Parts: sequence; structure tokens; C-alpha cells
Amino acid sequence: QKEVEQDPGPLSVPEGAIVSLNCTYSNSAFQYFMWYRQYSRKGPELLMYTYSSGNKEDGRFTAQVDKSSKYISLFIRDSQPSDSATYLCAMLETSYDKVIFGPGTSLSVIP
Amino acid sequence: DVKVTQSSRYLVKRTGEKVFLECVQDMDHENMFWYRQDPGLGLRLIYFSYDVKMKEKGDIPEGYSVSREKKERFSLILESASTNQTSMYLCAARGTEAFFGQGTRLTVV
Repeated sequence: QKEVEQDPGPLSVPEGAIVSLNCTYSNSAFQYFMWYRQYSRKGPELLMYTYSSGNKEDGRFTAQVDKSSKYISLFIRDSQPSDSATYLCAMLETSYDKVIFGPGTSLSVIP
Repeated sequence: DVKVTQSSRYLVKRTGEKVFLECVQDMDHENMFWYRQDPGLGLRLIYFSYDVKMKEKGDIPEGYSVSREKKERFSLILESASTNQTSMYLCAARGTEAFFGQGTRLTVV
């Protein structure tokens, strides 16, 4: 079993839809959780970062962490064509000090 | 704004050449990383460094080496480039969250 699982998609939604992107993990020692957005041929860009269970909101983006279920989500409200990208989840176990990335989910928002 | 800068966006090199990929960060982070990213394989860690002159192997170090002579600079070296090293190379610097450079797309012919 991989440490971090993420549905690769592709996921295609109409403009204005609510998007839900998810990752599951197996290592209960992960303490920090991140979401990255990567446009084609560019480096990943940090979107959200959280270290606790619960929700964290930033504009149209909400990151949700459920440590008891080992499940994290990124919600995008009022999705825009400019949100079309690959979204990677990432996790950090502080004692191990390496960031583990999910494989990424490809999202297309259709105008 | 935090900044991680990779020296080249696109490189084309010949098989057997020695290739240097440079990465500079302006965040004063101790931790720096080199990844390669390939379709269907995601991000794979090549090498990382926690401090100047310190390096640790990642998951796929074969065929690569690194150099960290200064805190802000982390170089990836392909000792003898091969076609299977054609890839997107990403440098990152990290406090808790990781910040990436724009990537170097390397083609070995």
C-alpha cells in the first residue's frame, strides 16, 4: 500500500461547480498537510497548509483534515477555468522530515 | 514572496555529458530537495540536504550527485547523462511547507 493515495482523475467539471479533491494516507505520524497546484510545465505552487484536524479556508479554497480517518480534502467553490491544473496533496512527518506527495489529480474546469 | 529559482527552464544535453542543475533560494531555509517528475510516477525524491555540505540520498539517487557549498544553493549533477534521465526536475526549499522552483525540463538525446 502506498503511503499516500490520490485519484489521478482526470476530473472534468463545469465552471461554477464545487470541486472536491481527496487523499488518503496510511501513516498516522503525518502531522502537516499541504495542497499544491501545478499548471502544465510549471513547478508546484503551495495553495494551503494545515497541521490540525478540521477546516481551513482561504478564499474559494477549503482544506479539510480528518486524522481519525486518515483523509484530507481540498474543496474549490465557484470553480473557474483558471483552476484547471493538477492538484497534489503532500504530508510531512516531523520526526522523519521528508515530504511525501500524492501522485496528483488532474482537474479541468470547462467554461 | 518566497523564491526558489532554478537556473534553466529547458535544457537539451547529449548522452554522456555531465549536467549541472542549479537551484537558489532566498528564504534562509536549511532544507533543500531535488525531485524528478514523470507522467504516471509523480514526484520522486532524488537527494536532499539539511545543511551546508550535508546530503542524503532520496528514493532514486542512482546516476545523480549533489553539492551544497552554500546554504542558499543546492546543485544537482548528472555525472553522465542518459536518455532515461529525460524528465522534469524540481528543486524545493522547506521550513515546514515546501516551496518549489519553476522546474527544469531536461531532454537527453
